[in-house]
Amino acid sequence: AQTVTQSQPEMSVQEAETVTLSCTYDTSENNYYLFWYKQPPSRQMILVIRQEAYKQQNATENRFSVNFQKAAKSFSLKISDSQLGDTAMYFCAFMKPGWLYDMRFGAGTRLTVKP
Amino acid sequence: EAGVAQSPRYKIIEKRQSVAFWCNPISGHATLYWYQQILGQGPKLLIQFQNNGVVDDSQLPKDRFSAERLKGVDSTLKIQPAKLEDSAVYLCASSLRTESSYNSPLHFGNGTRLTVT
Repeated sequence: AQTVTQSQPEMSVQEAETVTLSCTYDTSENNYYLFWYKQPPSRQMILVIRQEAYKQQNATENRFSVNFQKAAKSFSLKISDSQLGDTAMYFCAFMKPGWLYDMRFGAGTRLTVKP
Repeated sequence: EAGVAQSPRYKIIEKRQSVAFWCNPISGHATLYWYQQILGQGPKLLIQFQNNGVVDDSQLPKDRFSAERLKGVDSTLKIQPAKLEDSAVYLCASSLRTESSYNSPLHFGNGTRLTVT
């Protein structure tokens, strides 16, 4: 069974600084997909960034980037130039290929960006 | 593109009562999911539909939870009777995932916050 672990329940960062959120996962699959979702107080889960395991290049989306270490089964999220609007819960998620499979989530990290 | 719509936004009921949640996925999305998110935890899958058929309901407490997706579009999730531990946010998500596009991400609605007293 696939498990996703986020070891940092809460983190804070000063506005404009950089913060890294950690995620590790456990799987025996060789091909899979990893995601970071943001959940603000509105509760809607918003896709931040995605990574395909067969791609060695780390994904980037504007201020968001990942450090994907396949051998270590690690998938951290780096937020650069943090903004107040980045304050939210962040969930790391794992998905096996194939339309029959669902997405498995970690317990989340609550990020607070301080002015 | 309209997002995933859910209603109601909030619901408070007493234990042993019944409750139903509604979800309208993004148009054209064949796959629909219901997740339960207990406070302080990540979402946990309850049931997954592909069109109007159930793909996975292994984590659905079938003695009290039921879900349907008639005509392969809207879906309802029902709890009868509710227990205190059912207090959670119920998230609906949809995806374009098919056999040929199986890596499409999930798009979530705003969820329904259920409080059972």
